[in-house]
Amino acid sequence: AQKITQTQPGMFVQEKEAVTLDCTYDTSDPSYGLFWYKQPSSGEMIFLIYQGSYDQQNATEGRYSLNFQKARKSANLVISASQLGDSAMYFCAMREGVYSGGYQKVTFGTGTKLQVIP
Amino acid sequence: DAGITQSPRHKVTETGTPVTLRCHQTENHRYMYWYRQDPGHGLRLIHYSYGVKDTDKGEVSDGYSVSRSKTEDFLLTLESATSSQTSVYFCAISERTSGFIEETQYFGPGTRLLVL
Repeated sequence: AQKITQTQPGMFVQEKEAVTLDCTYDTSDPSYGLFWYKQPSSGEMIFLIYQGSYDQQNATEGRYSLNFQKARKSANLVISASQLGDSAMYFCAMREGVYSGGYQKVTFGTGTKLQVIP
Repeated sequence: DAGITQSPRHKVTETGTPVTLRCHQTENHRYMYWYRQDPGHGLRLIHYSYGVKDTDKGEVSDGYSVSRSKTEDFLLTLESATSSQTSVYFCAISERTSGFIEETQYFGPGTRLLVL
């Protein structure tokens, strides 16, 4: 079974509108972390936001927020007031055993391509 | 900026030749990783390191070896390059973001490798 599922291969959003990128995950570990990364056409992977499974509040970083619904095992990324520079691939990722030391595998989804329309 | 550089940034090579990619970091991070990125697969871990001379395999390690003789450098070697190893290779480090451990990975700029 896929541990990270991103069901939207591509999305369009009008500039200045908000957009939600979906991510569902599968784990039986009670301690895990969820991440979102942005990959623009230039190719670099940029860390955006992190949510720990025990965090009580949804994570926010500027225009990015993570809509964390633990019971549904979803960790959707919300981008408010979209800008042209938000056009990129977005990857959701999960690390299990996030409160443990040592190496724990990070699993990445296959990504969603977001295009912001002027 | 996690202070990660990769070299070379682009490389074209021929099947059967050995290739070494270098990852260099300046902030004394303990954990370093090599991933490959291919369409439809996201990122897949090749090898990782948890200290000098301490390395272990990831999920797609066949045909690759690594070495870490200094904290700042993590080398990925393709023993005998094949066309299936044409990919974009990313190096990453782990850094503490909000927890008590290094839970978040930060990536280098990537190396585009074409094996003809």
